[in-house]
Amino acid sequence: DVKVTQSSRYLVKRTGEKVFLECVQDMDHENMFWYRQDPGLGLRLIYFSYDVKMKEKGDIPEGYSVSREKKERFSLILESASTNQTSMYLCASARGDRGNYGYTFGSGTRLTVV
Amino acid sequence: AQRVTQPEKLLSVFKGAPVELKCNYSYSGSPELFWYVQYSRQRLQLLLRHISRESIKGFTADLNKGETSFHLKKPFAQEEDSAMYYCALSPLTGGGNKLTFGTGTQLKVEL
Repeated sequence: DVKVTQSSRYLVKRTGEKVFLECVQDMDHENMFWYRQDPGLGLRLIYFSYDVKMKEKGDIPEGYSVSREKKERFSLILESASTNQTSMYLCASARGDRGNYGYTFGSGTRLTVV
Repeated sequence: AQRVTQPEKLLSVFKGAPVELKCNYSYSGSPELFWYVQYSRQRLQLLLRHISRESIKGFTADLNKGETSFHLKKPFAQEEDSAMYYCALSPLTGGGNKLTFGTGTQLKVEL
């Protein structure tokens, strides 16, 4: 069974902390994505990556950064966590072929910043 | 810029009744449209792609370019269809595989 694994299901962090959210996929997918999911707002793209060491900003990148040192791993970093970053974070991966075959999502990390 | 609109936050239907979840999009180029579903306590998963023209779990969706819509339909709702449904759009060419999602519609099927 192919998988996208997010390292933590629940996290509680303090305001100002540096937070790392990890995502690993075992499908050899080129593309990886980080979204946040909020009620009434749907999924909003934070950052994505088409290849190792490559990243592009999504629609709401402010306050976040990412790292992709290996093809299978895509990390989301909150440099200084704030309460408005309390959310469900979803990682996804996809094939890099021409055309979109759909994403495989992780189970999500629910982050609470206090 | 691309945009996906799902006008209903919540849709409640009785078991056996027809279901239609609305999705409208705004995009200047040729889009690829998707429906994703999230059942309670499960991860988000692909339900169907318009380009495949397939029917999954009895659901179908037709791309109407004139009305810029991609409504999800099922003739007879089942209790297990209760879930959150997201419509999503990707450029057919260019833009990579980046998906833009709507705000979602919670479908509740009542007995």
